[in-house]
Amino acid sequence: QVQLVQSESELRKTGASVQLSCKASGYTFNTYPMTWVRQAPGQGLEWVGWINTNTGKPVYAQGFTGRFVFSLDTSLSTAYLQIASLKAEDTAVYYCARVEGFLTGYHRFDYWGQGTLVTASS
Amino acid sequence: DIQMTQSPSPLSASVGDTVTITCRASQSISSFLNWYQQIPGKAPKLLIYSASNLQSGVPSRFSGSGSGTDFTLTISSLQPEDFATYFCQQSYRNPYTFGQGTKLDI
Repeated sequence: QVQLVQSESELRKTGASVQLSCKASGYTFNTYPMTWVRQAPGQGLEWVGWINTNTGKPVYAQGFTGRFVFSLDTSLSTAYLQIASLKAEDTAVYYCARVEGFLTGYHRFDYWGQGTLVTASS
Repeated sequence: DIQMTQSPSPLSASVGDTVTITCRASQSISSFLNWYQQIPGKAPKLLIYSASNLQSGVPSRFSGSGSGTDFTLTISSLQPEDFATYFCQQSYRNPYTFGQGTKLDI
């Protein structure tokens, strides 16, 4: 069965960097893009962007360019999100999710990881 | 960016009720609209994709409709496990924006 398992919670000082991981299993990793979604405490869902797991090409939402970087290790079926120069407002749960419907254009996020809480504090 | 606005929020209902949640897009998004359910402390779960298609494994009491700018999610015969927050999301154009969420509570 499809599973996305994310790394454990992270506590960092503001200004530091953090790397989150998302390990996929139960399907062929490079046939579905991977997306990242952020949820600040008590808030809604915010799309960070996605990465084509076949080509490695990333697409970032506005507001997530520069400090946010997606990467892959296809040999490990793992996607990564690195956040540099952490700010207090980056404190949130970060979810990875598989993107279904890539070829049809009707993209949806059909399987989700359990989420990683990132806390950035001075 | 395309703005997604949900109503009502919050929404109070009882077990056995039928409820409808509305999502309005700031411009036409054809049928590029998905619905997710989120239980507190858990990841979102895909319910409906492309406005009206039921995701595999989701109970048939969930249904979606609409196109263009106006969409609805209907839950028939509410069950205790349905009390959660529901989000719509457009996948028409980057960035893929979500509605603010509708909390369905007793």
